[in-house]
Amino acid sequence: DAKTTQPPSMDCAEGRAANLPCNHSTISGNEYVYWYRQIHSQGPQYIIHGLKNNETNEMASLIITEDRKSSTLILPHATLRDTAVYYCIVKSNFGNEKLTFGTGTRLTIIP
Amino acid sequence: ETGVTQTPRHLVMGMTNKKSLKCEQHLGHNAMYWYKQSAKKPLELMFVYSLEERVENNSVPSRFSPECPNSSHLFLHLHTLQPEDSALYLCASSQDNGPNQETQYFGPGTRLLVL
Repeated sequence: DAKTTQPPSMDCAEGRAANLPCNHSTISGNEYVYWYRQIHSQGPQYIIHGLKNNETNEMASLIITEDRKSSTLILPHATLRDTAVYYCIVKSNFGNEKLTFGTGTRLTIIP
Repeated sequence: ETGVTQTPRHLVMGMTNKKSLKCEQHLGHNAMYWYKQSAKKPLELMFVYSLEERVENNSVPSRFSPECPNSSHLFLHLHTLQPEDSALYLCASSQDNGPNQETQYFGPGTRLLVL
């Protein structure tokens, strides 16, 4: 059973903020929300992760709702190089649980 | 450049050939992974090595044989593959601190075509 639900595709204009939603209504208290992306013909790339507080790094911001049932990845100023498949993954950092990739959201940045 | 390299980047092999994929990580990590990504399908975890010991084998056929000689190198030995094994094979590494597993860093992958 998939732990996350993402729209299959989205478009965003170059220079605008790209907001990628993810639903994870069954998330448990010790599970983190991870975001990775995969640019065409490359391996996946880690973007950001969080537990319950909002997080920001040089690539993106992660906004997690107070009930933790959904989150949004924000790319503040999208460029053409941000065109990729974005994966939202819920995973515990304890025990032997590994990353499970779904089908993600294919984000296309429009010039 | 993620600090994880894979060779070769592309490989074409016949069903009777034997070949090996190589992965090397320069990040000082102690866990390494093999994933398979077929067309139109999500990434599938194949093998996990932690401290050079195999800790996970996700029901992978025996025609795929992993080897981890040290914490920086990981191989995937291939023999008598089938055309449906054609896929992108990705290697990743992470720092596995037991209860606190860090993020994974992926190599660029080897695109394999089995004829």
